[in-house]
Amino acid sequence: QKEVEQNSGPLSVPEGAIASLNCTYSDRGSQSFFWYRQYSGKSPELIMFIYSNGDKEDGRFTAQLNKASQYVSLLIRDSQPSDSATYLCAVARSSGSARQLTFGSGTQLTVLP
Amino acid sequence: DGGITQSPKYLFRKEGQNVTLSCEQNLNHDAMYWYRQDPGQGLRLIYYSQIVNDFQKGDIAEGYSVSREKKESFPLTVTSAQKNPTAFYLCASSIRSADQFFGPGTRLTVL
Repeated sequence: QKEVEQNSGPLSVPEGAIASLNCTYSDRGSQSFFWYRQYSGKSPELIMFIYSNGDKEDGRFTAQLNKASQYVSLLIRDSQPSDSATYLCAVARSSGSARQLTFGSGTQLTVLP
Repeated sequence: DGGITQSPKYLFRKEGQNVTLSCEQNLNHDAMYWYRQDPGQGLRLIYYSQIVNDFQKGDIAEGYSVSREKKESFPLTVTSAQKNPTAFYLCASSIRSADQFFGPGTRLTVL
């Protein structure tokens, strides 16, 4: 079983719709959860992080965390073609002063104009 | 401008050669990291460093080596012992245990 699993996609949604990206993790001791966006050929860009159960909203993005179910999701409202990218879920276990991230394999999102 | 730079952008290696990938940051971040990404895959941690002159192995350290002689620099050497080195290599840095920010990456191809 992979440590961090994401819905494999690819996922296509029409412009203006809500895109829902899901991630499950196996390590119950995980403390922090991140969503990165990666455009083709580019490096990942941090878009959201969440530490506590519940929802966290930032503009059109909402991260949801349920530690009991070991589940984290990202909702993108009013999806735009510029949101088309691969979204990587990452889970952190802290080690001293450095945080080790374990990444899922990503979900490719295409927003259709 | 503050940021993380990686060089070169593209690198070609012959079989049996060692190559070194550069990573520099001027963000005054304590921690630095190296990841490898294969096509259609997530990132896998190779090495990380919390302070100067100290570093720890990640999940896939075999065939790689690092040094951290300066806070700003964390070069990665891909040795001939790494049997499948063709990949996209990403360097990241963070303030202690805070969020990691990535450099632009180096694409390594073995000829």
